[in-house]
Amino acid sequence: DTEVTQTPKHLVMGMTNKKSLKCEQHMGHRAMYWYKQKAKKPPELMFVYSYEKLSINESVPSRFSPECPNSSLLNLHLHALQPEDSALYLCARTGAPLPNTEAFFGQGTRLTVV
Amino acid sequence: DAKTTQPPSMDCAEGRAANLPCNHSTISGNEYVYWYRQIHSQGPQYIIHGLKNNETNEMASLIITEDRKSSTLILPHATLRDTAVYYCIAISGRSGGGADGLTFGKGTHLIIQP
Repeated sequence: DTEVTQTPKHLVMGMTNKKSLKCEQHMGHRAMYWYKQKAKKPPELMFVYSYEKLSINESVPSRFSPECPNSSLLNLHLHALQPEDSALYLCARTGAPLPNTEAFFGQGTRLTVV
Repeated sequence: DAKTTQPPSMDCAEGRAANLPCNHSTISGNEYVYWYRQIHSQGPQYIIHGLKNNETNEMASLIITEDRKSSTLILPHATLRDTAVYYCIAISGRSGGGADGLTFGKGTHLIIQP
């Protein structure tokens, strides 16, 4: 099972809300990733977890807070977001170190901040 | 990781071979060439990757020039479902095999015409 499941598929939140995005997979992983994708733009890397430890934070604002509670789960906690944070948020996993391995992506959560 | 350059868009007739070029003239010896595609509003999907030799799988073929400065992704019999943005990515692992994530460029929007 190579599936990466992201929930919810769609989320609308106000600027004062706190919400969380969830990413789940059951293949085990070497690394898990969060990406942000604005309309008509390529995905941009936000965070990398390697063996459940945060290894890369691409200068993401603190209103985005990642968490990796176990080898199957990755969360992205959202607080005090701005309308410009509206985007498709993608989760991915790899089973071995890059390069020479493929990354599996979820279908994303489409977030709208109002 | 080496910068890659792709045409912004291409058309191809259904049933014909789609040949998508990618230039990576500054690629180093340990960098792999990866291809992913993203169908509208879905997560990116792995297609194929290679280092030096040409590669083929059930989805596509990857032709890498001998000097490794460019490559071509070939979809042998394009269908309407192959309409997507295709990303060519060059990646090497950092020393120690760290989990770095994929850096996406702008890609090529391939449109399959009926």
